[in-house]
Amino acid sequence: DIVMTQSPDSLAVSLGERATINCKSSQSVLYSSNDKNYLAWYQQKPGQPPKLLIYWASTRASGVPDRFSGSGSGTDFTLTITSLQAEDVAVYYCQQYYDPPHTFGQGTNVEIK
Amino acid sequence: EVQLVESGGGLVQPGGSLRLSCEASGFTFSSYWMHWVRQVPGKGLVWVSRIHSYGTSTDYADSVKGRFTISRDNAQSTMYLQMNSLRAEDTAVYYCARGNNYIEQWGQGTLVTVSS
Repeated sequence: DIVMTQSPDSLAVSLGERATINCKSSQSVLYSSNDKNYLAWYQQKPGQPPKLLIYWASTRASGVPDRFSGSGSGTDFTLTITSLQAEDVAVYYCQQYYDPPHTFGQGTNVEIK
Repeated sequence: EVQLVESGGGLVQPGGSLRLSCEASGFTFSSYWMHWVRQVPGKGLVWVSRIHSYGTSTDYADSVKGRFTISRDNAQSTMYLQMNSLRAEDTAVYYCARGNNYIEQWGQGTLVTVSS
């Protein structure tokens, strides 16, 4: 199974500042035949189901503010929130969908400092 | 509007069985892979299983393989998860989800509690 490891587990960022979450996979999730990284990011707020933010490692889902961006390739990926807003307080998860089981990272809790 | 509505959760004794259902609406159900993902309250997401749009292929997490069976009825736009030999560690909120690759849409979840 592909193991997904996020860092940090938790971070506190001031309003308007940048938040950066890292995700590392135990093997590459880049599919060479189509040059796509099979990596998604989700946001989960308390009491709600997760919501898709980013897919193919860097494509924003419909309706997601452009302060959210994804980058990386192969085994190392980053979710960046460029200017943290109060409504961004949530747990963020990466997930690989390259190979079943489609494993998730352990989650990163983002809070306001 | 896309909707995924789970049902069938509840309290069951260890060793017991439960069948979850996920009723879909607002999209062409037969065009999508469907997934089950679970989450122990306060903990992280765990992918459980997926089924091909025509039901011809399935995959499972090792932790449920041989005990859980995923299925679907495209005529009823409904997916199922038959859970047998339930253990305390299967206690979680179970989410139904839609996605041919990444998960695009999630249900609200149904809580399964395995306890004597």
